[in-house]
Amino acid sequence: AQRVTQPEKLLSVFKGAPVELKCNYSYSGSPELFWYVQYSRQRLQLLLRHISRESIKGFTADLNKGETSFHLKKPFAQEEDSAMYYCALSAGSYNTDKLIFGTGTRLQVFP
Amino acid sequence: GAVVSQHPSRVICKSGTSVKIECRSLDFQATTMFWYRQFPKQSLMLMATSNEGSKATYEQGVEKDKFLINHASLTLSTLTVTSAHPEDSSFYICSARESRAYNEQFFGPGTRLTVL
Repeated sequence: AQRVTQPEKLLSVFKGAPVELKCNYSYSGSPELFWYVQYSRQRLQLLLRHISRESIKGFTADLNKGETSFHLKKPFAQEEDSAMYYCALSAGSYNTDKLIFGTGTRLQVFP
Repeated sequence: GAVVSQHPSRVICKSGTSVKIECRSLDFQATTMFWYRQFPKQSLMLMATSNEGSKATYEQGVEKDKFLINHASLTLSTLTVTSAHPEDSSFYICSARESRAYNEQFFGPGTRLTVL
């Protein structure tokens, strides 16, 4: 079964502290993984995708196929990072690839 | 670029009426659009996938006669909630994808439906 698990509903840290938002997936095929972010009262937007292997707003995520994980990391959290973060897995046939979302982790960064 | 709009942003209707929600890609052509439902403090649940010019593919457990999806053009998809009931009250979000080659979905701001 295709599934995305985000074990933490809430993660609270102080500004400047390292952040790691956990994401594990279950998928028998070759996964395509994403992190989406939703800031307060804003729409969902793509933060990063594993195939790009880039750092966005200081965040990085490495796909670990052995551990079936795609954890999101940032070495020094900022207050503006406070948001809801969703890990998502792209699964399905070529023309109808759908995103399977995890339940999300709310990141709170305190000053 | 890559903006998706939804209309209306919120709607309140009486039980038994039908409600239509529009999703538009403003600056690109969306070959595929997706409709999601989000309950309070919960994740997004995919309801259906629609490709322009063809019938929508519904997820298991989603009633296709209840949630009518039309994707008549490359920039517009509509979701009609027919004979709405209070349990249909939710936040409905659409997303649009330009091509599978660059597999990124752009999300609309969502529509809050309240059925009295």
